[in-house]
Amino acid sequence: DIQMTQSPSSLSASVGDRVTITCQASQDISNYLNWYQQKPGKAPKLLIYDASNLETGVPSRFSGSGSGTDFTFTISSLQPEDIATYYCQQYDNLPETFGQGTKLEIK
Amino acid sequence: QITLKESGPTLVKPTQTLTLTCTFSGFSLSTSGVGVGWIRQPPGKALEWLALIYWDDDKRYSPSLKSRLTITKDTSKNQVVLTMTNMDPVDTATYYCAHKGGLRTDYWGQGTLVTVSS
Repeated sequence: DIQMTQSPSSLSASVGDRVTITCQASQDISNYLNWYQQKPGKAPKLLIYDASNLETGVPSRFSGSGSGTDFTFTISSLQPEDIATYYCQQYDNLPETFGQGTKLEIK
Repeated sequence: QITLKESGPTLVKPTQTLTLTCTFSGFSLSTSGVGVGWIRQPPGKALEWLALIYWDDDKRYSPSLKSRLTITKDTSKNQVVLTMTNMDPVDTATYYCAHKGGLRTDYWGQGTLVTVSS
């Protein structure tokens, strides 16, 4: 299985801050990476696919980059409604695997 | 509009078999390239991919759970069924089904919490 190492595991930031989360794959996954947002009690919501493509309807303050083994997810200006846990997921190989999540809190 | 909804028991006893049904709308599982997968999430923990069935009935399983899982589809009913045998308390989790269009998993059901306890 491909291991996805996501960091940090938790993050506290202020409204308006730029927030960055990283995800590292244990082997080359090209650009086959999703980023999801999960709010408490809710299903994950797809934000970014193919590492850098914004899903329809997702605000442009969310972005993703990277390829191969190293990936970055960025919120350019943190909003109160962005409080959630964020997960990366690789879909280059089955089984698809997820990072351990980053819990984002407001400072 | 694509929607999915999971249904099944909320409580199962250890050693029992769990059967979950995913009922979906807004797409057909007979369309080339489409799949429906199952993912679970223990309380407070990360997501774990379980199984996937494609439009052509190709089935894939998590290697660590393969011996316990079976995934099937009923295209006429727009349903996918997941069975998991020999349930254990560590299998307590929210179970999600999700639409896979092309390569990416884009639409998820609301999830159903299954508790394994005697």
